[in-house]
Formats: sequence, C-alpha cells, structure tokens
Amino acid sequence: EIVLTQSPGTLSLSPGERATLSCRASQSVSSSYLAWYQQKPGQAPRLLIYGASSRATGIPDRFSGSGSGTDFTLTISRLEPEDFAVYYCQQYGTFGPGTKVDIK
Amino acid sequence: QVQLVESGGGVVQPGGSLRLSCAASGFTFSSYGMHWVRQAPGKGLEWVAFIRYDGSNKYYADSVKGRFTISRDNSKNTLYLQMNSLRAEDTAVYYCAKDPGGVVTTYWFDPWGQGTLVTVSS
Repeated sequence: EIVLTQSPGTLSLSPGERATLSCRASQSVSSSYLAWYQQKPGQAPRLLIYGASSRATGIPDRFSGSGSGTDFTLTISRLEPEDFAVYYCQQYGTFGPGTKVDIK
Repeated sequence: QVQLVESGGGVVQPGGSLRLSCAASGFTFSSYGMHWVRQAPGKGLEWVAFIRYDGSNKYYADSVKGRFTISRDNSKNTLYLQMNSLRAEDTAVYYCAKDPGGVVTTYWFDPWGQGTLVTVSS
C-alpha cells in the first residue's frame, strides 16, 4: 500500500509570497494519477491539479504542479488571501495528511 | 453546472445502519464513475468507495469492506451508500464526488458535493 507524506505540516507565509508544498510517495507512483486538492474551512475540497501538472478547470495559473516518481510539488507563485487553506495530495485511494497554509 | 447534493446523514447508534444518497445534476450521470470520500471531524480525507458508470464494478477501502455497499440508480441520477454495522470511527462528513474520466477511471474527484454528517454514538 502506497503512503503519501506531505511536508511541511504547516506553512506560515504572507500574501504575495511563494508557497512550495511537498508530497512524497513511499514507492514510485504514476504521475498520471497524482492530484492536489484545496480545502477551506467548512467547505468541500476542490480539485486543483491532476496528472501531477495539469490545472483543473477554472484554477488560476499561480497554481502549478510538478514532479515524478516519488516526489511531487505544488507551487503557489504568489499567495492571494483566498489561498490560505489546507492542501492534500492524492493518488488512487490514498490521500496525504495535508499541508495547512496559514497567514504569517 | 454540475451539482451533487448528499442527504441521509444523522445520528445512529453503534451497530446501526444508514443509507446516504447523492443526487446528481448538470451532467450525464450514467456516463461517469462516482466516489464516496469521508472526513472525520478535524481530520484528513479518506476515500471510501467507487462505482463504475454502469455499476459493473465496485471498489472499497479496507476499513469499510463487508460493511458498506455503494450503488447507483442511473434512471434517478442518484448514488447511494448503504452503511451497516456502523462504528464510532465511521463518524465523518461523507462526500460524493464525480470521477471526471467517464468510461476510463481517473481516481480524481471533481467536483464534490457539500457533504453530509454521519455521527455514530450511543
């Protein structure tokens, strides 16, 4: 069973800064099935990135995904106030524990 | 636009049963696989079950296998989750989500419903 580990657990940044979130798999996984989600308090998650690097419909281009094998990254180039949330990576039926991006 | 609306959550005693529903609209429901994903209070996300567009295949997380049953009625554009032998650890918000791949399963979840809360407590 594949385990996804996300780091850091919490990322404290200011609006306008760059956020780099990591997702590491316990064994090599197919990039085609690696996705990232954003969840705000009291809301359902929203698909951001699929296939490791493709943005979902309506997702701003400040969000980008990269990686392959066991190491994947979600980058938010310049944080907007609405980007402070929890981010999950996912592959097949496994989710990572999440990274909380909060306001410094 | 695509809309998924869950219902059927509530409080149930340990060992009890509950059936969740997910009403779909805004897309051709019979052409897409569907998932259930849950989130315990203050915790992360856990995939629960998947059903192919035509109901021909169903897959479950080990934590619910043998207790939960996913099904669908394509004539009613509705997805179901029958939950039996409920345990305290099943307490969670349950979301339904569309698999965007259609005939080909992607195991991405897009979009999600707003969720329905299931509380297992005596």
